[in-house]
Amino acid sequence: DVKVTQSSRYLVKRTGEKVFLECVQDMDHENMFWYRQDPGLGLRLIYFSYDVKMKEKGDIPEGYSVSREKKERFSLILESASTNQTSMYLCASSFGTGGLDTQYFGPGTRLTVL
Amino acid sequence: GDSVTQMEGPVTLSEEAFLTINCTYTATGYPSLFWYVQYPGEGLQLLLKATKADDKGSNKGFEATYRKETTSFHLEKGSVQVSDSAVYFCALLAISNFGNEKLTFGTGTRLTIIP
Repeated sequence: DVKVTQSSRYLVKRTGEKVFLECVQDMDHENMFWYRQDPGLGLRLIYFSYDVKMKEKGDIPEGYSVSREKKERFSLILESASTNQTSMYLCASSFGTGGLDTQYFGPGTRLTVL
Repeated sequence: GDSVTQMEGPVTLSEEAFLTINCTYTATGYPSLFWYVQYPGEGLQLLLKATKADDKGSNKGFEATYRKETTSFHLEKGSVQVSDSAVYFCALLAISNFGNEKLTFGTGTRLTIIP
């Protein structure tokens, strides 16, 4: 089975702190994604990566950056956390392109910024 | 741009009731369509999918048919169980301008089944 793991289930940070969220997948998937999930808004794509060192902005990239130095690991970085970044963050991965491949999700990290 | 509109919740049903959660979409081209489910405290899991018009996806007693003429992908189950209580997300997957896949989600529908 595909496994996508995220470094923390719950995280509490203070405004202005730099925050790292880590995601690791074990199936050699090319594509990796970061979403945030908010009530009434569903999931919104922050960034995605289709190869090592490659990244593309999603729908809401402002205030975030990403890093993908190894194929299995995709990091989301909040350079200076703000209270409006309090949310559930979900990582996903998938194999290849073509529109037919399932995305596999991690369990999520619930981030609270005080 | 692409968008997905799904039935607002929350939805509360009694065990063994019939379930329908409506989903309609707007997209250029021919997207693939998905239903994902999120059980309490967990990440999203794929429930079912359909990749072309008139395809029917099915899993765990749930079904959805890709209707191009009505741009819909409604989720149905004949007899729900307490264990079906979760949040359900409709999604479409299309190819972006960069040639990469992009999933667009609906806002989710929370389903609660009471014994």
